[in-house]
Amino acid sequence: SQTIHQWPATLVQPVGSPLSLECTVEGTSNPNLYWYRQAAGRGLQLLFYSVGIGQISSEVPQNLSASRPQDRQFILSSKKLLLSDSGFYLCAWSVEGLNNSPLHFGNGTRLTVT
Amino acid sequence: AQSVTQLGSHVSVSEGALVLLRCNYSSSVPPYLFWYVQYPNQGLQLLLKYTSAATLVKGINGFEAEFKKSETSFHLTKPSAHMSDAAEYFCAVNLNTGGFKTIFGAGTRLFVKA
Repeated sequence: SQTIHQWPATLVQPVGSPLSLECTVEGTSNPNLYWYRQAAGRGLQLLFYSVGIGQISSEVPQNLSASRPQDRQFILSSKKLLLSDSGFYLCAWSVEGLNNSPLHFGNGTRLTVT
Repeated sequence: AQSVTQLGSHVSVSEGALVLLRCNYSSSVPPYLFWYVQYPNQGLQLLLKYTSAATLVKGINGFEAEFKKSETSFHLTKPSAHMSDAAEYFCAVNLNTGGFKTIFGAGTRLFVKA
């Protein structure tokens, strides 16, 4: 069966520090991969998605970047965190090439920038 | 453009009462619709999905949703609420844009009173 791992679960970082969140998927090949953010009182905002290794699409201009160095690994990064980067970050995957594939989410990382 | 609208950011019901969470979609093509549930500090979990095979879709935990094309609706129901149903619920639609992005509604938080 497929599983998705996301870590760390919680993170407190000072403003201006770097960020690296990692997500890995097991049990499937060539998944579509996604990073979402949930800010307090707001819905889910799609940050990045990837349909293959090295292929990253950015949905909103911001202080973050994403990379996909391996088929089932997706990394969210920042060189210098801002207060506004605080939120709940969710990684997800879906079946490649399938319109009706649901998203399968990790358990999320709660990031607090102080 | 495709989108989903969830009516009511908060819904409160008594234990044992009917749960009705509303979702309307806008789509120029037959949509792929989903309901997800999110418990505190967790990722989203798929409740059910509509893929045109049947208009009444049954999901996990006793939930079901009915696709009504004439009303462009996909409301989520459960005959009898349990305390464990307290969570946030998201309606979503898949976009066929190569990466098969998903658009989420703003979410409805369900409160269940004893």
